[in-house]
Amino acid sequence: DQQVKQNSPSLSVQEGRISILNCDYTNSMFDYFLWYKKYPAEGPTFLISISSIKDKNEDGRFTVFLNKSAKHLSLHIVPSQPGDSAVYFCAASGSWGGNTPLVFGKGTRLSVIA
Amino acid sequence: DSGVTQTPKHLITATGQRVTLRCSPRSGDLSVYWYQQSLDQGLQFLIQYYNGEERAKGNILERFSAQQFPDLHSELNLSSLELGDSALYFCASSVGGDKFATTEAFFGQGTRLTVV
Repeated sequence: DQQVKQNSPSLSVQEGRISILNCDYTNSMFDYFLWYKKYPAEGPTFLISISSIKDKNEDGRFTVFLNKSAKHLSLHIVPSQPGDSAVYFCAASGSWGGNTPLVFGKGTRLSVIA
Repeated sequence: DSGVTQTPKHLITATGQRVTLRCSPRSGDLSVYWYQQSLDQGLQFLIQYYNGEERAKGNILERFSAQQFPDLHSELNLSSLELGDSALYFCASSVGGDKFATTEAFFGQGTRLTVV
């Protein structure tokens, strides 16, 4: 039973346009959400996070939106650059003040075309 | 460079064998986590150690075991290997076991295990 779902295995976007990566979760106990980026032959690297008390968090070109009622979050990258081409993993945890490991989705492969 | 070191980077072994994967966490991090990534799968949590003690357990098979040593490095032992155990195994570390989510985990480059 997948608690974190990334339903789009891949996404292609033109350079300069917006990339929108989506993630859905089923566990109501999740209260902290993260996005990781992974290049080939490297480990995942932390990108941005959001807690359930917020609905938006922005860091430079990256913005994460959280819709708790829909159990949905999305990552927006504006403008997209060729160097953003990677696999993006959504992760969730019920660890705000607690201690549960991150649950990951299967990832979305983003290709930014020059 | 995340500061998390995993060795070896690649490992090829035969079915039925036993292997040990090693992880050195970032300096100062007390928590170590092991994840498995099989083909087309997300990162599956296996086990977490905090300051030498097991803290959380995920979908870890009985043939697999792990430990964290006094110097905080960790080893993941995989025994009676099967073809289906072929995967990328990642180690991650974070500052504290009780604040895993509030401080992001840093991942190593992974060990690619191929069982033939």
